[in-house]
Amino acid sequence: EPEVTQTPSHQVTQMGQEVILRCVPISNHLYFYWYRQILGQKVEFLVSFYNNEISEKSEIFDDQFSVERPDGSNFTLKIRSTKLEDSAMYFCATSRWGGETQYFGPGTRLLVL
Amino acid sequence: GQQLNQSPQSMFIQEGEDVSMNCTSSSIFNTWLWYKQDPGEGPVLLIALYKAGELTSNGRLTAQFGITRKDSFLNISASIPSDVGIYFCAGQLGQAGTALIFGKGTTLSVSS
Repeated sequence: EPEVTQTPSHQVTQMGQEVILRCVPISNHLYFYWYRQILGQKVEFLVSFYNNEISEKSEIFDDQFSVERPDGSNFTLKIRSTKLEDSAMYFCATSRWGGETQYFGPGTRLLVL
Repeated sequence: GQQLNQSPQSMFIQEGEDVSMNCTSSSIFNTWLWYKQDPGEGPVLLIALYKAGELTSNGRLTAQFGITRKDSFLNISASIPSDVGIYFCAGQLGQAGTALIFGKGTTLSVSS
């Protein structure tokens, strides 16, 4: 069964550093999403992406965040200058169409020191 | 922002018991989804509901999309130890590519 994959599984970084989290969507899926989950809390939406542009974003997704699909396969989330409060699990999700079921990857655990 | 109220927050049950959890909202949702999350892993889809009143089963799991489109429940029958985990409801307000709004989760513990 096709799966969403994410790399790295864990990332430790210093405050102020840039990080790039990578996701490989399910092959015939057209909509891509990033969510985050702070330890012990609920999953929160960050951004959705379709046809090479952002279709929706939350207030969490500020100027420090950006997304792109650089090579037609990977879907990336970049955090330009990490803060302590960016420490969380970051999940990529994809769906075949908008409004269809979103399938989640295993997540990247980001720790900002 | 939009809120989903999920209850109960946690449950401690004996193996073999049935479990019920639910989510409510003041907003109308087009889609309700139920996910299970094991520690350190991503949410895994259990059941997706697309129509008001829809009742869907997946093995021992049954979920319903409320008639008012503001609520959903998930039942697990004859629980087993591997049912342990955190169960999240998630709703989608719009259609194309819209965000999932998650509940805070129900932590299920099953003792054998």
